[in-house]
Amino acid sequence: DAGITQSPRHKVTETGTPVTLRCHQTENHRYMYWYRQDPGHGLRLIHYSYGVKDTDKGEVSDGYSVSRSKTEDFLLTLESATSSQTSVYFCAISESPMVAKNIQYFGAGTRLSVL
Amino acid sequence: AQSVTQLGSHVSVSEGALVLLRCNYSSSVPPYLFWYVQYPNQGLQLLLKYTTGATLVKGINGFEAEFKKSETSFHLTKPSAHMSDAAEYFCAVSDTGNQFYFGTGTSLTVIP
Repeated sequence: DAGITQSPRHKVTETGTPVTLRCHQTENHRYMYWYRQDPGHGLRLIHYSYGVKDTDKGEVSDGYSVSRSKTEDFLLTLESATSSQTSVYFCAISESPMVAKNIQYFGAGTRLSVL
Repeated sequence: AQSVTQLGSHVSVSEGALVLLRCNYSSSVPPYLFWYVQYPNQGLQLLLKYTTGATLVKGINGFEAEFKKSETSFHLTKPSAHMSDAAEYFCAVSDTGNQFYFGTGTSLTVIP
């Protein structure tokens, strides 16, 4: 398995509270991604990063922010959690967007419940 | 815009039978296509990918997929299902490689 650690693995929080999820990698890959997985929707990209301090939005970025101050860490923050953000969140990493090298490796996921 | 459609959210096959999971894509440029597998409470693992070249792609665990441009399809097959193949399977498409678009997934059940 690629060296990807997501923390926490499970979290229950209340509506309106801020929440930060962490993704830590030991592969020194340049690209990191945050997805959410919901029944009937598959995986949808929230944000991604293409280098330290370089990030961009995905298709479902509203209500989320990210930060990457080090190559190995990519943080996802829910500024004010809502029940619609109850989901399973996956971090992924890849070496390069060049397709020959673009294999995305996924973490084990964080299950977030917003009550 | 790109999108992926996986026909059949649930597929059941008998052990030893052919597995066929369907994926159709929409892309304005030549696509890169992927199949991932997800076992319960785990992240996704790459099964196989098509970039360029040979349209029949072989992956891990005996799976293969064929890129058919005329049909905009990338169906996943395995000649003989094994109990360990029970999982959720996702098809994905990308053009630039920066963003992947995933299908909604197909849950495969293998009946002994």
